[in-house]
Amino acid sequence: DTEVTQTPKHLVMGMTNKKSLKCEQHMGHRAMYWYKQKAKKPPELMFVYSYEKLSINESVPSRFSPECPNSSLLNLHLHALQPEDSALYLCASSQGRDTYGYTFGSGTRLTVV
Amino acid sequence: AQKVTQAQTEISVVEKEDVTLDCVYETRDTTYYLFWYKQPPSGELVFLIRRNSFDEQNEISGRYSWNFQKSTSSFNFTITASQVVDSAVYFCALSEAPRGGKLIFGQGTELSVKP
Repeated sequence: DTEVTQTPKHLVMGMTNKKSLKCEQHMGHRAMYWYKQKAKKPPELMFVYSYEKLSINESVPSRFSPECPNSSLLNLHLHALQPEDSALYLCASSQGRDTYGYTFGSGTRLTVV
Repeated sequence: AQKVTQAQTEISVVEKEDVTLDCVYETRDTTYYLFWYKQPPSGELVFLIRRNSFDEQNEISGRYSWNFQKSTSSFNFTITASQVVDSAVYFCALSEAPRGGKLIFGQGTELSVKP
């Protein structure tokens, strides 16, 4: 299995909702990442988990809460989002933080209404 | 500071033309990695190539080739005999070892290949 699987593929949520994005990989990668991508822009790093511990938080607002329950799973919990948080959320994994190579999922397209 | 510049925002070519996508990077580290990714409309970032800073050999993979020149801090990507399926946004990215963990992307080049 050489994929990173993200669910759901599309999500529409209200500003008072709580939702979660899920990311899963079974390649034995020990580093996992969340990126946010606005339309016509490059991806921007949000969080990095290395060996299931949060190692980088790029000053992301607390309404985004990451969680890494085990080495194969990465969640992003969403609460009280704003319309400007609408974007494509990409998950990625790599063998380690040695940047050997990243595998990206196909993303979750989030719309906040 | 690390930075990646893709000066070409959009490129439009006719099928079978060759096209080169430019990438210029800035870093103070001596050890770093450079990447190219393709992003079709479906959204997934497709890995194309990874190069480390100590390997300046050019690489060819089918219709794709890459020219890495440390002297000019450039890592350009050429598609030979372009096809409609090559239409996508292409990102050049930089990651610095040993800090790792973060890809710094250029702004992307949107390539449109017309039949």
